[in-house]
Amino acid sequence: NAGVTQTPKFRVLKTGQSMTLLCAQDMNHEYMYWYRQDPGMGLRLIHYSVGEGTTAKGEVPDGYNVSRLKKQNFLLGLESAAPSQTSVYFCASSPGQEYQPQHFGDGTRLSIL
Amino acid sequence: GQNIDQPTEMTATEGAIVQINCTYQTSGFNGLFWYQQHAGEAPTFLSYNVLDGLEEKGRFSSFLSRSKGYSYLLLKELQMKDSASYLCAVLGSNYQLIWGAGTKLIIKP
Repeated sequence: NAGVTQTPKFRVLKTGQSMTLLCAQDMNHEYMYWYRQDPGMGLRLIHYSVGEGTTAKGEVPDGYNVSRLKKQNFLLGLESAAPSQTSVYFCASSPGQEYQPQHFGDGTRLSIL
Repeated sequence: GQNIDQPTEMTATEGAIVQINCTYQTSGFNGLFWYQQHAGEAPTFLSYNVLDGLEEKGRFSSFLSRSKGYSYLLLKELQMKDSASYLCAVLGSNYQLIWGAGTKLIIKP
């Protein structure tokens, strides 16, 4: 009954540090997404994947990298964290057609000092 | 540009009815979603409309007019647990979701 699991749930980084956010889904979904959510703004797509081994850029990809080596996992990396990347990050997955709803993880709250 | 507009905040009374509007201007349209997001939690799917008209699902209904670029979410018999943000999202021409900033709904006893 796990659905979409994100780790860690909270993290504080210093400017310039790197880290990886992990997303795992157990629903055998093809599509996976990384979003960021900032106050007063809609969710913004960072990167997405339409299948194992594929990735594509979304609306705000700069400063982030992703990998989808296994179908169930989608990793988001910050190579050199900046204060502007302070946000809540959500991972989502969907079965494989764009009109099907996305299922979200509980989010990672990331602060960059 | 692409734009989705929703009211920032609305207040309603327990047991009443509330309508949350969403207007959109996007390059292409492949459907409109409504999600509910409680504070500090993940968004959860409520409804999907791709054809004009009203879709009813229990206490929640969603309406779409493609010619007017307009949708609304109707919540009936409001309960305290309905206090949440309601997110409108349009599936654009590139099949990526474009999200509104959300409407925070406050329910008062």
